[in-house]
This record gives sequence, structure tokens and C-alpha cells, in this order.
Amino acid sequence: AQSVSQHNHHVILSEAASLELGCNYSYGGTVNLFWYVQYPGQHLQLLLKYFSGDPLVKGIKGFEAEFIKSKFSFNLRKPSVQWSDTAEYFCAVNALDSSASKIIFGSGTRLSIRP
Amino acid sequence: DAGVTQSPTHLIKTRGQHVTLRCSPISGHKSVSWYQQVLGQGPQFIFQYYEKEERGRGNFPDRFSARQFPNYSSELNVNALLLGDSALYLCASSSRAARNEKLFFGSGTQLSVL
Repeated sequence: AQSVSQHNHHVILSEAASLELGCNYSYGGTVNLFWYVQYPGQHLQLLLKYFSGDPLVKGIKGFEAEFIKSKFSFNLRKPSVQWSDTAEYFCAVNALDSSASKIIFGSGTRLSIRP
Repeated sequence: DAGVTQSPTHLIKTRGQHVTLRCSPISGHKSVSWYQQVLGQGPQFIFQYYEKEERGRGNFPDRFSARQFPNYSSELNVNALLLGDSALYLCASSSRAARNEKLFFGSGTQLSVL
């Protein structure tokens, strides 16, 4: 069965620090990969997605993620975080032989930014 | 444009009761998915409907059922509620049922079972 692991449950950083959130998935076939974000009091929204091609994908608000197939990883990065990046971040995977929109989410990483 | 709307926003039920949650997708979207998010965990897939047909089902008991109406709105029904059904229930819509479709989430219905 597919699964997604997010190793950090809570990350605390100061403004301007660099960010990397880990994400690993377990599935041997072709996958679509996503990062979703939930800002305080708001609904889940898509940050970025990988389907094919360049393994380095860029999303909104300066975020990027790199797909490393050999490591089954899709880590999220940002060179310099801002206080407004405080949110919960979810990594998700959709295997190509699964139900069309059966997206499997990780347990989430809460990011707190100190001003 | 209105986003995905869900009703009610909060609900309190007792064990054994039945509950119906409602979702209106973004105008023009024909696919609706339901997710359950237990506190401290990521959303878990329950159902996907597209063009009024079930396209996918997650690992949930038969007490959970859903349907989609001609206007593409959807209902999630849960029978014989258990304490463990307490969670945030999220609805997401997309224009198609394709695997690479971006999902647009509603704010959810917070269900508490006492």
C-alpha cells in the first residue's frame, strides 16, 4: 500500500532561515507528487506539484521541491522563510494505477516562524 | 467566484446517530472527493465522485456512503456513528477526475461524536 512519511512533526525557524521539509513515499511505480499548505484559519491549498519532466519544481511564494526517484523523496525547500510561512505543510502522492484522485497525504509538518 | 462550500461547519452528534454532510463544488467542477482528517494526521481519502458516479473508495467501512447530484453537489452520509468518527471532514473539487488535477478544498465540517 502507498504511504507518505513526513519525518518532522514541528519545525521552528527564525525569519530568513532556510527551510527543508522531508517527505518520503513508498510506492515503486510512477507517481504524481504534491505539497499542500494550510495557513492558520484557511483551507488546504496546493503549493506545488510534480508530474513529469524536470525533477525540480517551483511553486508559489518562493517554494520549490525536488523529486529524487532513487530515494523516493520529494523534499520541500525555501531559501529564506518569512513569518507569513507559518502553516501546516502536507506532502501527498497519487500513484498512477490508483483511483484517479485518491491522494495519500502525510501526517503533516507544522512550521512555526519566529519574527 | 465562490470556492468549495461545505455545510454545516460544526456538528455534534451522539454515538449511534446518523449524519449527513454537504458539499458544493466550485462552479464548473464535476468531480468531488471526500477526506477525513483526524486531529494530528493528514487527510484520508474516503470517496471520489465524477459525473454522479463513484470513481474511487478509500478504506472506510460501509457505514460511510456518498452520492453526487445532477448539479455536482455531494453528500457524505455516516451511519451508526462511533466516537472514532470525530474528525474534520473535507470536501475537494476538481474540474475532472484525472490524477494530475489540482484539488480545491473547502474549509471542512468539524464533526464531534459524544
